[in-house]
Amino acid sequence: AQSVTQLGSHVSVSEGALVLLRCNYSSSVPPYLFWYVQYPNQGLQLLLKYTSAATLVKGINGFEAEFKKSETSFHLTKPSAHMSDAAEYFCAVTTNTGNQFYFGTGTSLTVIP
Amino acid sequence: DAGVTQSPTHLIKTRGQQVTLRCSPISGHKSVSWYQQVLGQGPQFIFQYYEKEERGRGNFPDRFSARQFPNYSSELNVNALLLGDSALYLCASSLGLTYQETQYFGPGTRLLVL
Repeated sequence: AQSVTQLGSHVSVSEGALVLLRCNYSSSVPPYLFWYVQYPNQGLQLLLKYTSAATLVKGINGFEAEFKKSETSFHLTKPSAHMSDAAEYFCAVTTNTGNQFYFGTGTSLTVIP
Repeated sequence: DAGVTQSPTHLIKTRGQQVTLRCSPISGHKSVSWYQQVLGQGPQFIFQYYEKEERGRGNFPDRFSARQFPNYSSELNVNALLLGDSALYLCASSLGLTYQETQYFGPGTRLLVL
């Protein structure tokens, strides 16, 4: 079975500061990992995904994430936060043969002007 | 191209009733997945349908059922509604069966059970 744990249900950063959202995964087989963003009253939008190619994955809106097998982590980062980054962020996991998709509990990002 | 569409956008039901939610995938997408997102939590996987067959099922009771039509649209049915079924129901479509493919999410149907 697979699962993800997002550390920190709420994260606040100042505008222009580094954004770091944490995600740790559990999987008995090589995982595929995803980060999604959800703006208020909207569906989810894919930011980036790791599917066993490069361990450093670049996504949309300046976000990136690094797959670290030794730490079972897939943390999301952005060098400089913008006000428009305020949203809910979800980490998710599946496998190459998986027929289920598991989301974490989410991290709410607040950007302080 | 239009994105994933869901109807209705909002719905109010009472306990014990039945509800049907609808989803139209992106044109050309053959896979549809359903998720339940309770307020303050991450989406929980309910079903995946591919080529009109159920290919994956999450840990939900038999009150939840779904089907996919020849045009790849899908319906999610929930019988004997409970207060705890109140949630945002999300539909996602993708090209193929595996989740290597990017899932595109609709805006959701917000269900309130009174």
